[in-house]
This record gives sequence, C-alpha cells and structure tokens, in this order.
Amino acid sequence: KQEVTQIPAALSVPEGENLVLNCSFTDSAIYNLQWFRQDPGKGLTSLLLIQSSQREQTSGRLNASLDKSSGRSTLYIAASQPGDSATYLCAVNLANSNYQLIWGAGTKLIIKP
Amino acid sequence: DTGVSQDPRHKITKRGQNVTFRCDPISEHNRLYWYRQTLGQGPEFLTYFQNEAQLEKSRLLSDRFSAERPKGSFSTLEIQRTEQGDSAMYLCASSPPWLGAAETQYFGPGTRLLVL
Repeated sequence: KQEVTQIPAALSVPEGENLVLNCSFTDSAIYNLQWFRQDPGKGLTSLLLIQSSQREQTSGRLNASLDKSSGRSTLYIAASQPGDSATYLCAVNLANSNYQLIWGAGTKLIIKP
Repeated sequence: DTGVSQDPRHKITKRGQNVTFRCDPISEHNRLYWYRQTLGQGPEFLTYFQNEAQLEKSRLLSDRFSAERPKGSFSTLEIQRTEQGDSAMYLCASSPPWLGAAETQYFGPGTRLLVL
C-alpha cells in the first residue's frame, strides 16, 4: 500500500531565506508526483507536476525534484516571501488508469516578515 | 469562472441529519473525483467517476455515503445519518479526457461540513 510522508509537519523561517520541503513515498510505482498549495480553509492549487520519467520541474522560485528509486521528492522555495505562507502537500499519482492521488499530510509553512 | 465549483461552501448540521453536496466540474472534463480532508491531514480518496460511471469507491465510503453523476456532468455526494466523525472538508476535482492531461486534477474550493 502506497504511503506518503511529509517532513517537517510545520516550518517557520524569516523572509528571504531559501527552504526545502520533503516528501517520501513507499512504492516507486508511481505515474507522477505533484506538489500543491493550500491556503487556510481553501481548496488546492497545483504548483508543480513531475512525471515519473523526469528528475525535476521548475516554476518561478519553485523547484521540485524527484528520485523515484529512493522514494523521495523535494520542493525548493527560493527567496521566500510572506505570501508563500500556506500548507504544502505532495501527492503521488498511482500508476493505474484512474489516476488516483495519494496524499501526504502536508507541511505548514510560515514566512515571518 | 470556468473552474470547478462546489455548493454549498459551508454546511452545519445536527447528528443524524442527511446532507447533500454538489460539484460542477470544468466543462468537457469527463473524470470526477471526490476526496475528504480532515484537519491537519491530507485529502483521502473517496470515489471516482468517468462520465456517468462510478468506477472506484474507497473503503472509506461507508453505506451511509452515496455519490452520483447522472448525466456525466455535475455530481452529488450524499451523507445519510451524519455522525460527528463526518466533519471534514469535502473536495471535488475533475480532469480532462485527452491524452497527456488526464492525470492533472483541478480542484474546487471544497465544502466544509460540521456535524454537531
């Protein structure tokens, strides 16, 4: 059974710092891995999607990497800003026809001005 | 607004009552998913539709839960005889049929349910 773990559960850093969020999964048979952002009481916004054949994806100040063999992904945020404060969730897409997502519990990020 | 919409956004009900939530996916998206998210946790898969067919149901979806997508467009999720443990955010997502994009799910804002 696929399990997804995110460490740390919460992180608080001063504005301007670079930071790394971690995601690990137990079964390497994934279709892709996605990082989402969730603001309090809101829905989910997709940030980056990495296909199983890819090693990384970049969007602006965000860079996500994927190491399938070790079951790990990282989300790197450069030059953090208070507006980056949110919960970041990773989800793996099972390698089946339903594209079901299995989620981590998220990392709650606070960027202090 | 052409995104996924959900109604209502918030629902407070008493234990034992029935509730129904609606999800309107993005037009032309044939795949529709329901997830449940409790406080401090990631979403958990509940059920999946392809067009009007319900193709997969999680064991989390007890007999008190039923979901429909009668015409392959909007979907409803009904919870009968609600329990306090049903309190959660219920999220709907949709994805398109075309190759290379089917794995990208677009999420609605969710319906937050509180059972007193």
